Amino acid sequence: AQSVTQLDSQVPVFEEAPVELRCNYSSSVSVYLFWYVQYPNQGLQLLLKYLSGSTLVKGINGFEAEFNKSQTSFHLRKPSVHISDTAEYFCAVTRYSSASKIIFGSGTRLSIRP
Amino acid sequence: GAVVSQHPSWVICKSGTSVKIECRSLDFQATTMFWYRQFPKQSLMLMATSNEGSKATYEQGVEKDKFLINHASLTLSTLTVTSAHPEDSSFYICSARADRGEELFFGSGTQLSVL
Repeated sequence: AQSVTQLDSQVPVFEEAPVELRCNYSSSVSVYLFWYVQYPNQGLQLLLKYLSGSTLVKGINGFEAEFNKSQTSFHLRKPSVHISDTAEYFCAVTRYSSASKIIFGSGTRLSIRP
Repeated sequence: GAVVSQHPSWVICKSGTSVKIECRSLDFQATTMFWYRQFPKQSLMLMATSNEGSKATYEQGVEKDKFLINHASLTLSTLTVTSAHPEDSSFYICSARADRGEELFFGSGTQLSVL
C-alpha cells in the first residue's frame, strides 16, 4: 500500500520569500506523484505531477517539485511567494493503474504574511 | 483542462431527510469517479470509488446504506446521503479520472449542513 507524509501542517512565510513544502511517500511499487492546491471552500486544483522522466517538474503559478527516489521525497518549492498563494497544499500518490485510488497527505497550510 | 461540475455547492437540510449530490465530467468520459469527505482543516478521506455500470467500492468504515453512490453513465455519478444527521455535516468532494489518465479532476465541492 502507498502512503504520503506531509511533515509540516502549517508553514508561515513572508511575501516574496522562498518556500518549500515537504512530502515523503512510501510504496513498494512505482508510483505517480502529485501536488494539489485547495483554496477555501473549493475543490482541488492540480499544481503539478510527476509521471516519469525528468525529476524536476514545473507546474502552474511558478511552483516546481523535485522527485527524489532515493529519499522517497517530492518536495514542492517556489522561489518567491505571493499573498495569493495562501491556501492548503496536498501531496498525493497513486500506483501505475487507471483504477488505482489516489492517496492524499494530511495537507500543509501555507500562510503568506505581507 | 478537464472540467468536473459538482452540484449543489452548498445545502442545508433537516435531520432525517436525504440529500443528493451530483458530479458530472463535462468534457471527458470518466469510467471511474471518487467521492471524498473533508472535515475542517483536515485532509480528504476517500469514501468510495464509483465505477460506471457497476457497484461502488466503499472504503472501510463507510456505511453503504447511508451513502448511496450511483454511476449511471460515463459522465455522471451521484452521492445520496440518506436520512442525514448532524454528524453527516461535512464538505463532500467528487473527482473523476479520464480513461488512461493519471491525474484526478475535482469538483468544487458541496458543503452539507444538517440541522
